[in-house]
Amino acid sequence: TQLLEQSPQFLSIQEGENLTVYCNSSSVFSSLQWYRQEPGEGPVLLVTVVTGGEVKKLKRLTFQFGDARKDSSLHITAAQPGDTGLYLCAGSISGNTGKLIFGQGTTLQVKP
Amino acid sequence: GAVVSQHPSWVICKSGTSVKIECRSLDFQATTMFWYRQFPKQSLMLMATSNEGSKATYEQGVEKDKFLINHASLTLSTLTVTSAHPEDSSFYICSARVPGQGEHSPLHFGNGTRLTVT
Repeated sequence: TQLLEQSPQFLSIQEGENLTVYCNSSSVFSSLQWYRQEPGEGPVLLVTVVTGGEVKKLKRLTFQFGDARKDSSLHITAAQPGDTGLYLCAGSISGNTGKLIFGQGTTLQVKP
Repeated sequence: GAVVSQHPSWVICKSGTSVKIECRSLDFQATTMFWYRQFPKQSLMLMATSNEGSKATYEQGVEKDKFLINHASLTLSTLTVTSAHPEDSSFYICSARVPGQGEHSPLHFGNGTRLTVT
């Protein structure tokens, strides 16, 4: 059962454009993390959001956790070719032995 | 920083043979490690949770007799793909958390193993 719906799954944009990736679920998560993965490597953590309604910024990336802790979004402003990669949201369910459930991933391509 | 090392980074084997993948936490002890499988440009699917000194916990639909997990020490977990078939070809990634950093601490991933079964 896929608990996290991530959209869009593929996104190709021009350098300088803005974009938003969404992560939705019917389940409540104790926290939600966003990872970025390069080809042939393991994912690397970008941010963790814990509190409902929380907003975190990482340079041109803005992350938001929904008030009900069921959804999250990642917004990139003025995308650059270096932002190209696979973006993954991952939710942690309280009391679930610490394992993470990943969304389907969003493959982002930023063209120069 | 926390480093998880995975070996080999890629392996090609013939159908019917077994392949062992190692996952090591280099600078911390991990009582729990997580094994994921990933198809090209797709997400990570949790296969099993490896527990040091006890049996692994497998996710629904994952054959425990086919994907043998051994967590023999606090820094090493192994995944053995037994009697491999072409459909087992995939990218396998292990991960672990640094203990004592709370339930919201990040997973640290190895660089994965690309398995190709011919």
